[in-house]
Amino acid sequence: GAGVSQSPSNKVTEKGKDVELRCDPISGHTALYWYRQSLGQGLEFLIYFQGNSAPDKSGLPSDRFSAERTGGSVSTLTIQRTQQEDSAVYLCASSLAGVNNEQFFGPGTRLTVL
Amino acid sequence: LAKTTQPISMDSYEGQEVNITCSHNNIATNDYITWYQQFPSQGPRFIIQGYKTKVTNEVASLFIPADRKSSTLSLPRVSLSDTAVYYCLRRALTFGSGTRLQVQP
Repeated sequence: GAGVSQSPSNKVTEKGKDVELRCDPISGHTALYWYRQSLGQGLEFLIYFQGNSAPDKSGLPSDRFSAERTGGSVSTLTIQRTQQEDSAVYLCASSLAGVNNEQFFGPGTRLTVL
Repeated sequence: LAKTTQPISMDSYEGQEVNITCSHNNIATNDYITWYQQFPSQGPRFIIQGYKTKVTNEVASLFIPADRKSSTLSLPRVSLSDTAVYYCLRRALTFGSGTRLQVQP
């Protein structure tokens, strides 16, 4: 079956611009996660959605970052007024339910802020 | 903090057994131990999960002692394709920096 998909695969933008990154989770997965990974580093948690519960936004680094999940499926991560330090690979994952379930990751979106 | 401690890197040779140990001194009662594998330019992939004692699947074994303050991922007879970064999680969402395993011929 289809896995987690993300778009675009690559995004180059100029400092100060807004960007939107999209994630399509596996059908039927109620949990969705966003992480970012800087070059050579581990994964940094950003935000977690579980069903209809309020999202866990504790990992968002600043108020320039926001995410929404529409209809319990597709999610969009928005970064406003991008900075060079936002350059990273943004990874989305989904799981059947709850944080202890296996997370299935998408291929990521590589964001480069010039 | 839900942090774990694991070696930054390890080297091995094809056919050897590799054991990667992770420390999680402040593990909570409801925390599970989960290991993921990540190849370059890909998202992490789930390897194995356990709560205590030993868990084995077709890929690896996971040993967790009774006090659960550490865990050991065991990869039997590694091959070149096992070269990757391995992450130990005591709580979901906290991946840390991982262990970079390099398997040589």
